[in-house]
Amino acid sequence: AQSVTQLDSQVPVFEEAPVELRCNYSSSVSVYLFWYVQYPNQGLQLLLKYLSGSTLVKSINGFEAEFNKSQTSFHLRKPSVHISDTAEYFCAVSVSGNTGKLIFGQGTTLQVKP
Amino acid sequence: GAVVSQHPSRVICKSGTSVKIECRSLDFQATTMFWYRQFPKQSLMLMATSNEGSKATYEQGVEKDKFLINHASLTLSTLTVTSAHPEDSSFYICSAPRPGSNQPQHFGDGTRLSIL
Repeated sequence: AQSVTQLDSQVPVFEEAPVELRCNYSSSVSVYLFWYVQYPNQGLQLLLKYLSGSTLVKSINGFEAEFNKSQTSFHLRKPSVHISDTAEYFCAVSVSGNTGKLIFGQGTTLQVKP
Repeated sequence: GAVVSQHPSRVICKSGTSVKIECRSLDFQATTMFWYRQFPKQSLMLMATSNEGSKATYEQGVEKDKFLINHASLTLSTLTVTSAHPEDSSFYICSAPRPGSNQPQHFGDGTRLSIL
């Protein structure tokens, strides 16, 4: 079985500061990794994904995450955050070859302060 | 724009009422859809996998008679919360992957269900 741990439930940060949201996973088989963002009372939006290939994946709005197999991690980073980045962020895994059944972490609330 | 539509966005009803939530894929056919439940300040828990033309697959601990799932067409799955009680109050979210291998899930905007 797979599991996902997001160590930080809340991350407060000032605007234009860098941020890292941590995600560790556990699995006995190969996995796909995802980061989703959720704004209040909305569904989830895919931020970025790792399926294979380059271990560093980037989104169009400045976020990036790096798959580290040895540390079983997929931390999300952004060098300079904006107020609009305030949201809930979920890390998720699925078994490789099957993007259907997602296992989510507990979520991290990113609070960007002016 | 949205590729998965969920309706209604919010429901408030009395205890004992049955509530139907619809999940539609807007520009693709989805043979499989997924239903999640999210408690306040918590993560999403997969409830069941909705399969077009066959029975849904429920996760352990989810009452299939309580949460009825119907996937009658390639673009529509419905979740019916039967005889809802206050403990069923939650945020319910559906998702569907586009056809093809390794396609990520697209999520609906969720339904806030409040049972009085």
